Amino acid sequence: ILNVEQSPQSLHVQEGDSTNFTCSFPSSNFYALHWYRWETAKSPEALFVMTLNGDEKKKGRISATLNTKEGYSYLYIKGSQPEDSATYLCASRPVRRYGSGNTGKLIFGQGTTLQVKP
Amino acid sequence: DGGITQSPKYLFRKEGQNVTLSCEQNLNHDAMYWYRQDPGQGLRLIYYSQIVNDFQKGDIAEGYSVSREKKESFPLTVTSAQKNPTAFYLCASSIGRGDSYNEQFFGPGTRLTVL
Repeated sequence: ILNVEQSPQSLHVQEGDSTNFTCSFPSSNFYALHWYRWETAKSPEALFVMTLNGDEKKKGRISATLNTKEGYSYLYIKGSQPEDSATYLCASRPVRRYGSGNTGKLIFGQGTTLQVKP
Repeated sequence: DGGITQSPKYLFRKEGQNVTLSCEQNLNHDAMYWYRQDPGQGLRLIYYSQIVNDFQKGDIAEGYSVSREKKESFPLTVTSAQKNPTAFYLCASSIGRGDSYNEQFFGPGTRLTVL
């Protein structure tokens, strides 16, 4: 995988349903993976930064897992609420090719737009 | 309140004109970024700057120019050479150390429409 890809592109669920979506990223030059939540008419807000294989992060009803060896991350929302309606972006932070550290750049997927119906 | 401001929120431009989008931050961040969003696509990096008086091209820099004369400001000029300038433009900043996992903080965006 050369790019960051997210699936599905959009999702409609009923209030109370649990849901999950996927982010695939290049595993060969991985440094960190970021998840952002972007509500309509607002700025994207950071949810998680994940760095280690097997990482699991949780914030309220939202959690995420990371597999750096195969290059994917899952975002889970338990018991979706209408206020969870947003676009969820993932972004890969590649490692610097020469020297240590990362490039400082994020490569974003196209996002998964979640609509939760009351 | 600390944050990132972008102005204007909506901008209309006639074809052939240059236009400058403002981005200011008071978070004392070293690094600043400009992204473009088009429908069905992810955020694409136009330019970024990791320190004052220095900036690098991102993935889609053609037709754009930037300056970073002050730490808090990173204006983006969309020139007449940009073939498809109508888009939503987001500015972001981060602490900027290359060996860290620092998240990027985003502004509210500017929607540019070329008439």
